[in-house]
Amino acid sequence: RKEVEQDPGPFNVPEGATVAFNCTYSNSASQSFFWYRQDCRKEPKLLMSVYSSGNEDGRFTAQLNRASQYISLLIRDSKLSDSATYLCVVTFYNQGGKLIFGQGTELSVKP
Amino acid sequence: DGGITQSPKYLFRKEGQNVTLSCEQNLNHDAMYWYRQDPGQGLRLIYYSQIVNDFQKGDIAEGYSVSREKKESFPLTVTSAQKNPTAFYLCASSGIAGNAPGELFFGEGSRLTVL
Repeated sequence: RKEVEQDPGPFNVPEGATVAFNCTYSNSASQSFFWYRQDCRKEPKLLMSVYSSGNEDGRFTAQLNRASQYISLLIRDSKLSDSATYLCVVTFYNQGGKLIFGQGTELSVKP
Repeated sequence: DGGITQSPKYLFRKEGQNVTLSCEQNLNHDAMYWYRQDPGQGLRLIYYSQIVNDFQKGDIAEGYSVSREKKESFPLTVTSAQKNPTAFYLCASSGIAGNAPGELFFGEGSRLTVL
């Protein structure tokens, strides 16, 4: 089993839709959580960190559920420009600073 | 401007040749990382370093080597022992808050094609 696994994609949604991605992790010694966005053939860029109490940034909401060992990303009112691959990233206490990436979930927003 | 610079952006090499990819950062970050990404896949960790003169193997270190002689620099050598070297290589750096790394800053990547 992979340490970090994401919903398999691609997600194809119309503009204005709400879409949610999940990411599960297998190691309970988890420490930090992030969502990154990667555009086609570009480097990943930080979208948002995920805090224990959940956090929101405009149309984006991130949630953490430590008991069930998953994080989620909710995108409201999808825009064409949201089309990208979304990567979840987890660090673990017992892995000395390694950031583990999920395989990514591709989102395609259509007009 | 502060940032992380990878070179070259595109590289073609013949099978059996060693190749060195450059990664330089001026963000004063302690930690640096090398990832490999294959089409339609996530990032896989090759090597990482949290301090000068020290580095650790990631999940797919075989066929690769690194050095960390300076804080700013973390070059990656793809050796002829790497069975399938054609890929997109990403270098990243981060500060370290306590024992946890902070946000990762990526270079623009190096696309290596072995002919």
